[in-house]
Amino acid sequence: GAVVSQHPSWVICKSGTSVKIECRSLDFQATTMFWYRQFPKQSLMLMATSNEGSKATYEQGVEKDKFLINHASLTLSTLTVTSAHPEDSSFYICSASSAETNEKLFFGSGTQLSVL
Amino acid sequence: GEDVEQSLFLSVREGDSSVINCTYTDSSSTYLYWYKQEPGAGLQLLTYIFSNMDMKQDQRLTVLLNKKDKHLSLRIADTQTGDSAIYFCAESIGYGGSQGNLIFGKGTKLSVKP
Repeated sequence: GAVVSQHPSWVICKSGTSVKIECRSLDFQATTMFWYRQFPKQSLMLMATSNEGSKATYEQGVEKDKFLINHASLTLSTLTVTSAHPEDSSFYICSASSAETNEKLFFGSGTQLSVL
Repeated sequence: GEDVEQSLFLSVREGDSSVINCTYTDSSSTYLYWYKQEPGAGLQLLTYIFSNMDMKQDQRLTVLLNKKDKHLSLRIADTQTGDSAIYFCAESIGYGGSQGNLIFGKGTKLSVKP
């Protein structure tokens, strides 16, 4: 099946710093990428949808200035958590799809973010 | 709002069948999915069922959908230790919408004892 690589797997940062998470589709061109967040013992929650070359669409309640999403190429989307705070500590996971995958979603392995 | 509920834990013995249950609230769901998450790995799509189907079988996996009761189940026959993982139920909302707009349950941790 299609492979989605997410990096880093885990990151620890100080409060106030910014963290960038990368999501790459390795063997297909992802026209659409999605970013999710999962708090402990909670469901995965969709944060935003990004289409290559256009601005991301954010779900209600997600601050677009806080969570910057860039989908500059068909194989790479990045999520930058700006001025991170402890309440941003969470598990972030991306997924990608395209006509090549018959619109099926393939997920990255996730990034555990801990903000001190 | 939309909600997907599933029990948090299930423990079975190797060789037995496992049944993971899920209930959802949105009657306009188009597809319902089962994902598997192994430690340190991403979510893996196991199987899915279209909302106008009652059952789908794929090797050891059987999905049953009771649309009237909004109940979805995943049965794993001859459960193996390698099946130990967290299983997420998810529904997609609306026709033609983003396939990423899935509503996930909290996941059921399946433990298989030898």
